[in-house]
Amino acid sequence: DQQVKQNSPSLSVQEGRISILNCDYTNSMFDYFLWYKKYPAEGPTFLISISSIKDKNEDGRFTVFLNKSAKHLSLHIVPSQPGDSAVYFCAASRDNYGQNFVFGPGTRLSVLP
Amino acid sequence: DTGVSQDPRHKITKRGQNVTFRCDPISEHNRLYWYRQTLGQGPEFLTYFQNEAQLEKSRLLSDRFSAERPKGSFSTLEIQRTEQGDSAMYLCASSAGQGFSTGELFFGEGSRLTVL
Repeated sequence: DQQVKQNSPSLSVQEGRISILNCDYTNSMFDYFLWYKKYPAEGPTFLISISSIKDKNEDGRFTVFLNKSAKHLSLHIVPSQPGDSAVYFCAASRDNYGQNFVFGPGTRLSVLP
Repeated sequence: DTGVSQDPRHKITKRGQNVTFRCDPISEHNRLYWYRQTLGQGPEFLTYFQNEAQLEKSRLLSDRFSAERPKGSFSTLEIQRTEQGDSAMYLCASSAGQGFSTGELFFGEGSRLTVL
């Protein structure tokens, strides 16, 4: 049973528009959430995180929103750029220690010029 | 380049053979992690080290899998008697240790294993 779900395997967005990537989790013990980005032939790279004491965290063009009651988080990218085309993984954990991270299956984002 | 490096990048082997992957973490990082990623899935945690101590290994997939970090620097992941189901990308990551603020892991490019 997947504890972290990303129900959209792929997403296409026009350059300059907003990209919204969604993630749902089932374990109510999760208190820490992260997004990683992965380009082909490279390892995942950290993008942004949020702890459960917040409902929003922003870093430049990237904003993560957390709705704990719905066990849902989303990553907003505004404005989207072609260089954002990658696979995005959501991860959840009860803490910020890597051995406890549970990753979702990923969403492939394509930003069209 | 001072990132996490993994070797080899791609290994093709026959079923029943042993394979070993090496990971060199970022030099000042004391935590090192091994993950496995199969097609269409996210990384799955296998084991981790703090310095030379292996603090979690119960999630290694079977007793055919073992990992070492003998001097607290580089690490090796060995798979004995490989099976076709072992075909996957094996990712290494490192971090600065517990209590760091962002939860950021630094991943290597991975070692892709193909078992024929």
